[in-house]
Amino acid sequence: AQSVTQLGSHVSVSEGALVLLRCNYSSSVPPYLFWYVQYPNQGLQLLLKYTTGATLVKGINGFEAEFKKSETSFHLTKPSAHMSDAAEYFCAVRGSGYALNFGKGTSLLVTP
Amino acid sequence: EAGVAQSPRYKIIEKRQSVAFWCNPISGHATLYWYQQILGQGPKLLIQFQNNGVVDDSQLPKDRFSAERLKGVDSTLKIQPAKLEDSAVYLCASSFGTSETQYFGPGTRLLVL
Repeated sequence: AQSVTQLGSHVSVSEGALVLLRCNYSSSVPPYLFWYVQYPNQGLQLLLKYTTGATLVKGINGFEAEFKKSETSFHLTKPSAHMSDAAEYFCAVRGSGYALNFGKGTSLLVTP
Repeated sequence: EAGVAQSPRYKIIEKRQSVAFWCNPISGHATLYWYQQILGQGPKLLIQFQNNGVVDDSQLPKDRFSAERLKGVDSTLKIQPAKLEDSAVYLCASSFGTSETQYFGPGTRLLVL
């Protein structure tokens, strides 16, 4: 079965600082990996996804993630945090039936 | 392009009552998903439809939950009778095909008292 583990339920960064949200996966097949963002009282919005090909994936709002097979990781980064980045972030892996298996989420707090 | 629509946005009921949620996917999307998101957790799949057929309902508590997608477009999810532990956000998502990107609706927040 495919699963993901998000390290750190809460991350706090200063505005302008690097954002690093960690995600490790477990999969018996080549994984399809996703990062979604959820703002309060809203649904999930896709930030980026990795299927095949280039291991560095660029997404919306300046986010990117790198697929590292040797480390079974798919960490999300952004060079400079903005106040509007404060939200809940979910890493997910596609399961055998194409539904998504989500991690527990990481709450990002951005301080002035 | 219109997104995934869900209603109601909020619902408060007492335990043992019944409740129904509605979802209208993005036009042309054949695959529809219902996820349950309990506070502090990631979404968990309840049921997946391909057109009007069920692909995966292995995690649906069938003694109290039911879902249908009769015409292969919109879908309803019902809980009867509700339990306290059903308090959660119910998210609907759709995709063009099973291997395509899933787009999520705003969710229905259910509180069972």
